[in-house]
This record gives sequence, structure tokens and C-alpha cells, in this order.
Amino acid sequence: SQKIEQNSEALNIQEGKTATLTCNYTNYSPAYLQWYRQDPGRGPVFLLLIRENEKEKRKERLKVTFDTTLKQSLFHITASQPADSATYLCALTSWGKLQFGAGTQVVVTP
Amino acid sequence: GAVVSQHPSWVICKSGTSVKIECRSLDFQATTMFWYRQFPKQSLMLMATSNEGSKATYEQGVEKDKFLINHASLTLSTLTVTSAHPEDSSFYICSATAGGGNEKLFFGSGTQLSVL
Repeated sequence: SQKIEQNSEALNIQEGKTATLTCNYTNYSPAYLQWYRQDPGRGPVFLLLIRENEKEKRKERLKVTFDTTLKQSLFHITASQPADSATYLCALTSWGKLQFGAGTQVVVTP
Repeated sequence: GAVVSQHPSWVICKSGTSVKIECRSLDFQATTMFWYRQFPKQSLMLMATSNEGSKATYEQGVEKDKFLINHASLTLSTLTVTSAHPEDSSFYICSATAGGGNEKLFFGSGTQLSVL
């Protein structure tokens, strides 16, 4: 069966440090992978999309890597800020439908 | 960016009543909208795909007679939870794609449903 796995434990990190989140998947052959941010009681917000032929993608303080051999994506938040505290979701498309991992909560403390 | 408006943000209802949730794309036309539900600390689970002018496509295990979806226009889709029961209490979120090869989804703010 298809699985999207993200670390269920919250990531606690000090302001200014880099947060690194992992997304592993099985039984997908994705043409691209997406990352979303979700705040409590809110819908997800799109952050980044990386295609299978792209090794790395950046947007401001965010960086995503995509290794289709390892079936893994890494999501980095550099120079983290308390406002970055949220749950970050990895998502893959299967049969035209976007499916999500359970997300990893990031807590950035001053 | 594209905006999806979802209403209401939260609703409390008695068991056996029906609840309607609206999802509107405010500044783009959405030929396809998706309805998800999410339990605390769990991933979003796709319930159904709503296509304008046609019947919704439901995911396996989702009762189409219980979760009625209507996509009457290119900017509005509604989800009606009929004869709601406490186990239907959840966070319901709609999303839409602007189409044209744009794979990313724009999400509404979600509706927290509590059935007493």
C-alpha cells in the first residue's frame, strides 16, 4: 500500500537554527512532491513544489530536496523564527489526487 | 494568490441533524474541488472529488448518501453532512485547483464540526 511517512514527534528548535524535516514515501512514483504549512484550526497553505528532475528548490528561508532513489524529501527552514512554528505536511499525487502525510510539528522557541 | 473561502468556521449541532458547509473560490474558477477531513494529529484524508456540473467521485469507505456534495457552479461547492452523528465530528477542509496544469491546491480555512 502507499504510504507517506513523516516524523510524528514534534521538532523543538531554538530560534536562528535550521529545522530539518523528513518525508519518506513508498509505492509512489511521483512526478513532483509538495510541502504545505498548517496552523492549528486552519487549512494547509502551499509552500513549495519540487519536481522529480529537480534535486533542490529554494524559497526565501525554505529549502527542499528530493531524492527519488531514496524515496525521500527533506525540508529545511533556515534561520528559524517563532513565526515558523506550525505543522508541515508533505504531499504526493496519486491518480490525480493529492495525498498527505500526517505532518511534523515544528516549535521554534526564542 | 488564489483564495478559497469556507463557511462556517465551526458548527455545533445535535445528533440527527444535517449540516451544510460551503466552499467558494473567490478569485478564480475551480472546475475541481476536493473535500478532506482531518482528525486531531492525523493526516488529511480525501473524502471526495467534486467536479462542476457532474456527480462527485467518492473515496472508498466514504458514504455518498451521508456526505452529499454539490458543485453547482465554477466557484461554489457544498458538502452536506446528513443525519450527523458524534463520530462525524471532525475538521472538514475544502480545496481547489486553479487548473491549467497548476498542481498545487488552495485550501479553505476549514470547518470544525462538533456533533452532540
